[in-house]
Amino acid sequence: AQTVTQSQPEMSVQEAETVTLSCTYDTSESDYYLFWYKQPPSRQMILVIRQEAYKQQNATENRFSVNFQKAAKSFSLKISDSQLGDAAMYFCAYTSGYSTLTFGKGTMLLVSP
Amino acid sequence: GAVVSQHPSWVICKSGTSVKIECRSLDFQATTMFWYRQFPKQSLMLMATSNEGSKATYEQGVEKDKFLINHASLTLSTLTVTSAHPEDSSFYICSARDADLAGGGGNYNEQFFGPGTRLTVL
Repeated sequence: AQTVTQSQPEMSVQEAETVTLSCTYDTSESDYYLFWYKQPPSRQMILVIRQEAYKQQNATENRFSVNFQKAAKSFSLKISDSQLGDAAMYFCAYTSGYSTLTFGKGTMLLVSP
Repeated sequence: GAVVSQHPSWVICKSGTSVKIECRSLDFQATTMFWYRQFPKQSLMLMATSNEGSKATYEQGVEKDKFLINHASLTLSTLTVTSAHPEDSSFYICSARDADLAGGGGNYNEQFFGPGTRLTVL
């Protein structure tokens, strides 16, 4: 069974600084997708970024980028120029094709002025 | 695009009553919808996968008779919590997978999430 591990229950960052959230996963599949979701206090799940395993290039979306290390089964999220609005719970998630999403336990990101 | 709504956003009910939660895809057709449960400060736990026109597939440990799921159309799935008890109090989230994307030749599997429903059972 696939598992997703987020080892940081909570992270703190100051505005304008950079923070990296860690995620590792375990799978025997060769083709799969990885996601980072943001869940703010409203609890609406928001897709931050996705990565296709067959793509070697790391995905980027504005201030958000990932470091995808397929051999190490690692998928970290880097948030640059952190903003107060980035404060939220962040979930790493995995899926292979049409299967269900497997979520990590989440990392609470605190952003201070 | 890709908006999913849930109704109600919150509900309070008495123990022993049933509560129905609706999940709608507003601007796309969803052959598959998913129901999750989330306790405070915890991750999302998949309860069941709902396919249009067929019976839902429940995850291990989820009581089928307590959590009734109906996916009668490509835009609507409902979750009914029957004979609710205080331990059923939780945040319920649905998500939907776009049928067009799923059948478009690729295997990309993005799910679009609803805003969630907070259920409190007294």
